[in-house]
Amino acid sequence: QSVLAQPPSVSAAPGQKVTISCSGSSSNIGNNYVSWYQQLPGTAPKLLIYDNNKRPSEIPDRFSGSKSGTSATLGITGLQTGDEADYYCGTWDSSLSVVLFGGGTRLTVL
Amino acid sequence: EVQLWESGGGLEQPGGSLRLSCAASGFTFSSYAMSWVRQAPGKGLEWVSAIGSSGRSTYYGDSVKGRFTISRDNSKNTLYLQMNSLRAEDTAVYYCAKAVLDWETLDVWGKGTTVTVSS
Repeated sequence: QSVLAQPPSVSAAPGQKVTISCSGSSSNIGNNYVSWYQQLPGTAPKLLIYDNNKRPSEIPDRFSGSKSGTSATLGITGLQTGDEADYYCGTWDSSLSVVLFGGGTRLTVL
Repeated sequence: EVQLWESGGGLEQPGGSLRLSCAASGFTFSSYAMSWVRQAPGKGLEWVSAIGSSGRSTYYGDSVKGRFTISRDNSKNTLYLQMNSLRAEDTAVYYCAKAVLDWETLDVWGKGTTVTVSS
């Protein structure tokens, strides 16, 4: 079981909005930045969000990130079938001196 | 173009050793921390290890501490992972990734190399 808790799956219809949560503690999310990664089937992970809410230049603004206390959230608007993937949150844990990943959330666009 | 290319994976018996390599190109390798991340079949991402840009700082996940060693050769733009005392649970695709800003911000990933530990 991962230290960072994510829902195993979420689903929504094309064009709709979905949010994915990532819950941690004060030693990780509470005091460190959060990143989000997208992993399309059969491919390597790709950085979507860093520093809680920043997007690499190539990532569309349909993807957004936020953090409050010891939880972080990834939001995706205008869902497309191409967004079907596994999504992971990641952060540094200051007590353990390790990088933590959430267990991953599978997004299905119905 | 920024690229990472892993190699060295394969089939190894329990208790054996493997050395993974990750060749980097398209960026100033010596300026960035690097990580290894693995993914067991059908499972999520598991961070394995990280190394600072100079190689002086290293960190390991609990599951590999004492068995795996991360290193780098900045003159060869190459990252390594020496894996000893391999176990069946080390079976996974191993990715190398470039860190930027913070240890958890991995902005470039390789395509991965597969390690299978089985008798």
